[in-house]
Amino acid sequence: GQNIDQPTEMTATEGAIVQINCTYQTSGFNGLFWYQQHAGEAPTFLSYNVLDGLEEKGRFSSFLSRSKGYSYLLLKELQMKDSASYLCAVGGGNKLTFGTGTQLKVEL
Amino acid sequence: ETGVTQSPTHLIKTRGQQVTLRCSSQSGHNTVSWYQQALGQGPQFIFQYYREEENGRGNFPPRFSGLQFPNYSSELNVNALELDDSALYLCASSPEVVSGGWQETQYFGPGTRLLVL
Repeated sequence: GQNIDQPTEMTATEGAIVQINCTYQTSGFNGLFWYQQHAGEAPTFLSYNVLDGLEEKGRFSSFLSRSKGYSYLLLKELQMKDSASYLCAVGGGNKLTFGTGTQLKVEL
Repeated sequence: ETGVTQSPTHLIKTRGQQVTLRCSSQSGHNTVSWYQQALGQGPQFIFQYYREEENGRGNFPPRFSGLQFPNYSSELNVNALELDDSALYLCASSPEVVSGGWQETQYFGPGTRLLVL
């Protein structure tokens, strides 16, 4: 089976850096995905890790350690529009298994 | 390049009724996956279609069924609707299932919000 854990809520200040952690236990692994989801909207793809290490994409970076079953999403220079739910998902067996999401609130 | 589209955007049904939700995959994508997202939860995998065949199914009862057409668009059918079926139904497409041994990125449509009364 699959078990994915991430914090329920986080609050950060505009302009700051925030790290959202995700731990997983899975029976199969074909990649680790991060999606952003604004309220009432569909998830939008942010990043994808298949090998250990850091992937950087503008203000967003994602890290993966397969041996530890651990990933994080790093958001820099936070903006108010970054307030959203961030979903960690593990790919395996043709499907994505999602965590419940981390609701990030960016404050002034 | 056209993204993933879904119809309808919203739907209200009563218990026991049947519903059909539709999805057009992104241009060039032959794989469609369906997810159910309850309020405050992450999306849950229902099933996947690859080249018109079911290619994996999650923990959903048989009253959830689907189809994929030659143009790779897809339908999700739910029979005998229950109150707990109220959720956002998301369709996601990808170019293939896997590439080089790794899961292909799935791109989501805007979803259909279903309310069962």
